[in-house]
Amino acid sequence: KNEVEQSPQNLTAQEGEFITINCSYSVGISALHWLQQHPGGGIVSLFMLSSGKKKHGRLIATINIQEKHSSLHITASHPRDSAVYICAVRPGGSEKLVFGKGTKLTVNP
Amino acid sequence: NAGVTQTPKFQVLKTGQSMTLQCAQDMNHNSMYWYRQDPGMGLRLIYYSASEGTTDKGEVPNGYNVSRLNKREFSLRLESAAPSQTSVYFCASGGRDRGNGETQYFGPGTRLLVL
Repeated sequence: KNEVEQSPQNLTAQEGEFITINCSYSVGISALHWLQQHPGGGIVSLFMLSSGKKKHGRLIATINIQEKHSSLHITASHPRDSAVYICAVRPGGSEKLVFGKGTKLTVNP
Repeated sequence: NAGVTQTPKFQVLKTGQSMTLQCAQDMNHNSMYWYRQDPGMGLRLIYYSASEGTTDKGEVPNGYNVSRLNKREFSLRLESAAPSQTSVYFCASGGRDRGNGETQYFGPGTRLLVL
């Protein structure tokens, strides 16, 4: 069983829709990361969370440590948001990240 | 600042050939990582280096060696390439954000095809 599970695996939306991507994990963690992988392959870090909620532009990330669950929300989605979104956790006491398999988001105009 | 750079961007090898993937970062980070990414799987850690002079195995180290040449550079070597090593390889470096742990910065990736 993967330590980090993401849902859905694939998501297609119309421009303007509100998007939610979910991440569940099974171990105690010190931090959770959300990353974006562009169609060209580049990976960038969007958020690092250890509690609560963070917002950057149209992106919002939340985490519930007790439930071992995080969500990434995109408001007013746009075709340029089309990418693979990856959840990764840092198990407590570890320097290493454990990655989910990613959620492929396609936003149609 | 270039961030994290990787060379080459793309490589084709025959089974049994050797090659070295190069990675460099100009952000003065202590930590550096090598990952592989395969279809349908998450990024998997091959090796990492917490600081200059140290290296440790990750989840999938077999068939690979690494060298942390200095603080900037972390190379990955395939001594005898196998088709199972066909993958996209990402190098990353880790910088500690104030009070919040480490953020990883990724290179553009190297696509390796082993025939």
